[in-house]
Amino acid sequence: QSALTQPASVSGSPGQSITISCTGTSSDVGGYDYVSWYQQHPGKAPTLMIYDVSNRPSGVSHRFSGSKSGNTASLTISGLQAEDEADYYCSSYTSSSTWVFGGGTKLTVL
Amino acid sequence: EVQLVESGGGLVRPGGSLRLSCAASGFTFNSYSMHWVRQAPGKGLEWVSSIDSSTSYIYYAESVEGRFTISRDNAKNSLFLEMNRLRDDDTAVYYCVRQTFIYYFDYWGQGTLVTVSS
Repeated sequence: QSALTQPASVSGSPGQSITISCTGTSSDVGGYDYVSWYQQHPGKAPTLMIYDVSNRPSGVSHRFSGSKSGNTASLTISGLQAEDEADYYCSSYTSSSTWVFGGGTKLTVL
Repeated sequence: EVQLVESGGGLVRPGGSLRLSCAASGFTFNSYSMHWVRQAPGKGLEWVSSIDSSTSYIYYAESVEGRFTISRDNAKNSLFLEMNRLRDDDTAVYYCVRQTFIYYFDYWGQGTLVTVSS
C-alpha cells in the first residue's frame, strides 16, 4: 500500500488561506468518503481536524474545512494563524480493510 | 477522560524482539477497534496494524506482516504489539490509537520510542 501523495510543504501569511492536497487511488481516497486529516505539532501526538472528508469534530476551528474530488482530497485552512503552523497528514480507509496515511505537509505561517 | 498510555519501548538489536503495551482508560475499551501507528524520526505517519473489539478482524501493513502480532486483553483494557525480527527501519515512535465507530482515529497516546540498532 503506497502512501497518499501530499505536498512536502506549503506556506502562507497570517490571514491568508492555504489548501493541502492529498492524492490517492480509487482503492482508497476515491473509493470511500473516509478521509481524515490530522495536525501534529513538534514532539506531540497527532490530533484529528477533519473526518469523513469534510466534518469537523467539536472544538476544531471553523477555519478548517475539507473536500474531495475523485481521488484527491483537500484540506483548506482560512484566516491563517501562527498556531496553525504544524505538520498535516491525510488518511484514508482502503479496500484492503487497512489504512494509509499521506507523507505529510509542513505548513509554515510566514 | 480518554487516556492511552504506551509502554515497552526501548533499544533493541536488529533481529531482536520487543513487546509494546497500551493501557486504556476513560472509555469502554471492549467496544472499540484499536490500532498501532508509527512514526520514524523526522518522517511521516505509517499505519501498522489494527484489531477489532472482539479480536475477530486483524490487519497488518505489508511492512510488518509476519513479524508483528497485535492482540488485546479486554478484561485488562490493554492493547499489545509483539514485534519480532526487528529491523533498523522499524525504529520509530509507536502510537496506540483508538478508532471511532466509523473510519477515523479520535484519540492517540503519547507514543513509545523503539530504537533498533546494533
